[in-house]
Amino acid sequence: DTAVSQTPKYLVTQMGNDKSIKCEQNLGHDTMYWYKQDSKKFLKIMFSYNNKELIINETVPNRFSPKSPDKAHLNLHINSLELGDSAVYFCASSQRRTDQETQYFGPGTRLLVL
Amino acid sequence: GNSVTQMEGPVTLSEEAFLTINCTYTATGYPSLFWYVQYPGEGLQLLLKATKADDKGSNKGFEATYRKETTSFHLEKGSVQVSDSAVYFCALSDRGNTGKLIFGQGTTLQVKP
Repeated sequence: DTAVSQTPKYLVTQMGNDKSIKCEQNLGHDTMYWYKQDSKKFLKIMFSYNNKELIINETVPNRFSPKSPDKAHLNLHINSLELGDSAVYFCASSQRRTDQETQYFGPGTRLLVL
Repeated sequence: GNSVTQMEGPVTLSEEAFLTINCTYTATGYPSLFWYVQYPGEGLQLLLKATKADDKGSNKGFEATYRKETTSFHLEKGSVQVSDSAVYFCALSDRGNTGKLIFGQGTTLQVKP
């Protein structure tokens, strides 16, 4: 059983295109996150949803729009892709405000913008 | 603001050598501290964690102790294996607030036979 899954695993696309990445968790957690890992492996939070409510929105271009249709899903839509968007995007989930706040990560989506 | 600093890599060791990867943090309040590991081409896996001062997290022979007085959470292993080759990330969580993880820059470990 996969706890946190992401699709697609690889995404190669042209500049200017619009693309979406999907994330699903079957851990029953109430909070989900998107992180970006750049080419130097540095990880930074982008967004977080708690019970479908946006609670973290870091300094991210408006071209990035998260959507959480329910507690188990968090999608990331990116408009007008740019070369600098090339990175690995990780989804994670946790149960907030408990002793089990540990975040569990998906396998990542490797995005390459040409 | 909160931040995490890890020792620069890469770290190259021979099999069965002793490993230390230093991690220090700056935080308000009482964060939880984590070590995550990323094997080549894979996602992040939780290695160990500690939620309060003097707690020791341990897993797969790795250990780290939450030291509030030195604001550190150094990762250690007594005898590394080739299979431990990976990137190791120290992180803190501002639990009770947004819960987001703040990561160090990662340390690449390469273990040679």
